[in-house]
Amino acid sequence: DGGITQSPKYLFRKEGQNVTLSCEQNLNHDAMYWYRQDPGQGLRLIYYSQIVNDFQKGDIAEGYSVSREKKESFPLTVTSAQKNPTAFYLCASSLGGFEKPQHFGDGTRLSIL
Amino acid sequence: GQNIDQPTEMTATEGAIVQINCTYQTSGFNGLFWYQQHAGEAPTFLSYNVLDGLEEKGRFSSFLSRSKGYSYLLLKELQMKDSASYLCAVVVTGGGNKLTFGTGTQLKVEL
Repeated sequence: DGGITQSPKYLFRKEGQNVTLSCEQNLNHDAMYWYRQDPGQGLRLIYYSQIVNDFQKGDIAEGYSVSREKKESFPLTVTSAQKNPTAFYLCASSLGGFEKPQHFGDGTRLSIL
Repeated sequence: GQNIDQPTEMTATEGAIVQINCTYQTSGFNGLFWYQQHAGEAPTFLSYNVLDGLEEKGRFSSFLSRSKGYSYLLLKELQMKDSASYLCAVVVTGGGNKLTFGTGTQLKVEL
């Protein structure tokens, strides 16, 4: 079955620590996205990638980094510079640009220890 | 800036019809999505409108008026499993397309 897989489902970060969230898709989609979801707020775009080896900052990129070395994979690193990392993180992919429907993973819930 | 407004919460009865509204004020427009999201789960695609009018898909329909900056999602024959958050998202143009989400409408379906 084609889909998009995020891991882990739950993640805990210590102060000053970087953590990496995994996102893998086997839908053969060119574009991949990372969103952050906080209670009472809409999904906010962190980073996106329209093609391998290229990515762009979204609206709230500070404190985050990504890589896109393979079409299937788009990992997100939450760095120690992100002072309020507690949130639900969603990865998505689509066949083309933002005007195409996005398929979402089941999310990673990140909390601070 | 971009502004997308949806009601925060709605309650409806099983078997009834409910309309969830979304109004937007954006610097450019290239389509509007509706997604459904159950608590703690992934959003799933429901509909996409880019031209004015009504798109029907089973129990769900979505309407768009570009001149009014307005869309609604209509759910018929409500079922308990329709209890979820419904996200309105606008494709905003200008410097390349981006997708901007509203805060979502939490729908509760009661017996």
